[in-house]
Formats: sequence, C-alpha cells, structure tokens
Amino acid sequence: NAGVIQTPRHKVTGKGQEATLWCEPISGHSAVFWYRQTIVQGLEFLTYFRNQAPIDDSGMPKERFSAQMPNQSHSTLKIQSTQPQDSAVYLCASSKEGGEDTQYFGPGTRLLVL
Amino acid sequence: GDSVTQTEGPVTLSEGTSLTVNCSYETKQYPTLFWYVQYPGEGPQLLFKVPKANEKGSNRGFEATYNKEATSFHLQKASVQESDSAVYYCALNYNVLYFGSGTKLTVEP
Repeated sequence: NAGVIQTPRHKVTGKGQEATLWCEPISGHSAVFWYRQTIVQGLEFLTYFRNQAPIDDSGMPKERFSAQMPNQSHSTLKIQSTQPQDSAVYLCASSKEGGEDTQYFGPGTRLLVL
Repeated sequence: GDSVTQTEGPVTLSEGTSLTVNCSYETKQYPTLFWYVQYPGEGPQLLFKVPKANEKGSNRGFEATYNKEATSFHLQKASVQESDSAVYYCALNYNVLYFGSGTKLTVEP
C-alpha cells in the first residue's frame, strides 16, 4: 500500500516567491492534516480537512498561507510571498475518519527560502 | 491550553541498556495518546497508540502505560539496539496532534 505522498520533496524559493506543496493522502482516508516542523518550534499543526471540507485552520498563519482540498485524492498548501522564516519541513498526514484515528505521515517537503 | 512535556534530549545509551523517555501532559480532558518515531529524512511513523485508562501499549519492544491519575505515558524499552537510534515524540490527539518536543536517542554499539 502506498503511504501518504508529498511532492516535491525539496523546494528552494527566493524571498517573495510563491510555493505550492502537494499531498496525496492514503486511498480511502477522509481526513487530511498539514503540520510544520522546525528546529525551534518543533511539530506544529497548521490545518485539517475532512471529506474535503476545511474543519480547523487554527494553526495557519493569518497571512500568506492557504490550503485547499479540491478532491479526495489531493490537498495543496500554498505560501505566497515566501519569507526566510517560512523555511521548514511541511508534513502532510491522513487518517481514516479524523477524530481519534491514527494519523499517518508523508515524508515531508523541505522548503528553503533564500 | 493543552501542553505536552517530554524528556529533553539528546540521550545516548549503550546497546543493551534500558530506555525511559518521560512524557506528561496538562489538559482538562482525557486525550488519545500516541508515540511516534522519526528517522532522518522521513516523516513521523506511528510507534504505537496507548490504550486508555491504565492500559499498556507496545510495539517492537517499546511500551508505555497510560497513567490517568498522573497524566503521563512514559516510553520504556528494556534493551535498546543500535537500530533504535531516532527521534521519539509523544503526542496527544484532540482531532489534531499536539506533539512533545522530541527526544533524540543515539544508541552506541
């Protein structure tokens, strides 16, 4: 079984450019989560979809960050006007039905903003 | 708000010795608890889910018991191997995961 797929695995952008990160959840999973991992802040929740509907985006920075889930097989995280402090590993996870179900993580996208 | 406190790393052990990674939390509710492990260049992998109310979860020789009274679920392994070298995270699940700070374990041969 394929796990959660994230592309690209690495992305380098210049300050002010846009970055779009892609996630394909495990087939049959209805819940998709985005997290960010940095040395300083550790693993932080960003946003959560269930059945493609946004459920909780309380962890998303108010500006420049947005996430969508246009269909059940993929979700995107977009960062506009990237800044050096956006450099991090962005992790996508999926679970069968959300709630207390186990979340399974992808390998992450390492974003470097120069 | 909810918080998770985990043993600060790094931890270096010799093969065959025992491991304990402490994890405790503050919350008004009883969350679902997990231990995850992360290897370099990979996302966190589920190590195991800790059943509720003073039960024990385990996998690959690792185990943890949910102590509801002490709001803790420490990770233990009796005899670590070099292949156990990784970063270990405890996490609470309230629909989304709240992670501890992670404990980097290095096991020397």
